[in-house]
Amino acid sequence: DAGVTQSPTHLIKTRGQQVTLRCSPKSGHDTVSWYQQALGQGPQFIFQYYEEEERQRGNFPDRFSGHQFPNYSSELNVNALLLGDSALYLCASSSLGLAGFEETQYFGPGTRLLVL
Amino acid sequence: AQKVTQAQTEISVVEKEDVTLDCVYETRDTTYYLFWYKQPPSGELVFLIRRNSFDEQNEISGRYSWNFQKSTSSFNFTITASQVVDSAVYFCALSEASSGGYQKVTFGTGTKLQVIP
Repeated sequence: DAGVTQSPTHLIKTRGQQVTLRCSPKSGHDTVSWYQQALGQGPQFIFQYYEEEERQRGNFPDRFSGHQFPNYSSELNVNALLLGDSALYLCASSSLGLAGFEETQYFGPGTRLLVL
Repeated sequence: AQKVTQAQTEISVVEKEDVTLDCVYETRDTTYYLFWYKQPPSGELVFLIRRNSFDEQNEISGRYSWNFQKSTSSFNFTITASQVVDSAVYFCALSEASSGGYQKVTFGTGTKLQVIP
């Protein structure tokens, strides 16, 4: 049973560029959440996708956008990169369930983004 | 607003010692879930446990145990007879239903545990 996978594992960009990160959820999961984890910090919630729609969003600017495909995989796009966007980007998948918030999220290995 | 506080930034213990990682949370909801995750140097968050707000029974899983006390809003994690492989950053997290009923998870800042051989 494949877990959550993310690509690429590492990425180096320069300020002002755009980046796309990809995530495939764990088999049987239909919900994908994205988190940003700065060095030495806990993960910060960016947004959550379910049924190809953004259902929740954290305190991140519109430069951060996403997409979910019919096969439940997801992309995170960041435009106009800033130095402060350097972080580990984690994808988590879950099965929304009746209420949604009780479900355990399973995390991928993350993509380490460095903005120079 | 929900908040998770892990006051211990770093802890060092000698192998075979017991260690407790503290977690204090804040929420206005009566129904919520608490989690612990382990993050080894590789970066992937590994799920350890989930507890709901209506179940205050302590739980033991091998060398791991968790103490949930709603009266003090705490969900502490104890590792008994620590091993070098336990060295990692441990995160406590809180999940509550947003106004739309969807999941909103807040993580603490983590506790880095170093087990010295």
